[in-house]
Amino acid sequence: AQRVTQPEKLLSVFKGAPVELKCNYSYSGSPELFWYVQYSRQRLQLLLRHISRESIKGFTADLNKGETSFHLKKPFAQEEDSAMYYCALGASGSRLTFGEGTQLTVNP
Amino acid sequence: GAGVSQSPSNKVTEKGKDVELRCDPISGHTALYWYRQSLGQGLEFLIYFQGNSAPDKSGLPSDRFSAERTGGSVSTLTIQRTQQEDSAVYLCASSLVHGVRGGNTIYFGEGSWLTVV
Repeated sequence: AQRVTQPEKLLSVFKGAPVELKCNYSYSGSPELFWYVQYSRQRLQLLLRHISRESIKGFTADLNKGETSFHLKKPFAQEEDSAMYYCALGASGSRLTFGEGTQLTVNP
Repeated sequence: GAGVSQSPSNKVTEKGKDVELRCDPISGHTALYWYRQSLGQGLEFLIYFQGNSAPDKSGLPSDRFSAERTGGSVSTLTIQRTQQEDSAVYLCASSLVHGVRGGNTIYFGEGSWLTVV
């Protein structure tokens, strides 16, 4: 079975502070991990995927197979980063398995 | 269209009534997915279409839920005899090809917010 855990439902930081959104997964095979973001009143959209090893909007995420984690990080948070963030696992078949999401609030 | 389109955006229905939710995927996308987003919970997979067939409908919560896709395009999710626990945002998504691996991107619609009273 595949499972994604995001331990923090709510995360609040100040502008300019580092931010880390935690994600742990459970899957016996070789996973593909994704971060999706949903800004207020907007649709869910892909932020980044681990195979791309890219930085989007200053965010990065590294897949750690030993710790089965895919934490999302940004060194200096901005107010426009406030949104709901979902970690997702792509494993067997075509479905994505999502975590419960973390609501990030960046305070001025 | 430019993105995945869903209708209605909001629906309030009485308990026991049937509802239909519609999804127009991005043109040319062969794969179509339905997810449910409930308050305080993550996104729950419901069903997936490849063309007009549904290889995976294991996420449908009960036999009151059904979905179809016609012409390899529009899909309809039907909930019969709605219950209050069906209240949620129903998200449709599409992708160019089958699967989430290998760089394939899934694009989501804005969702249909269903409230059962």
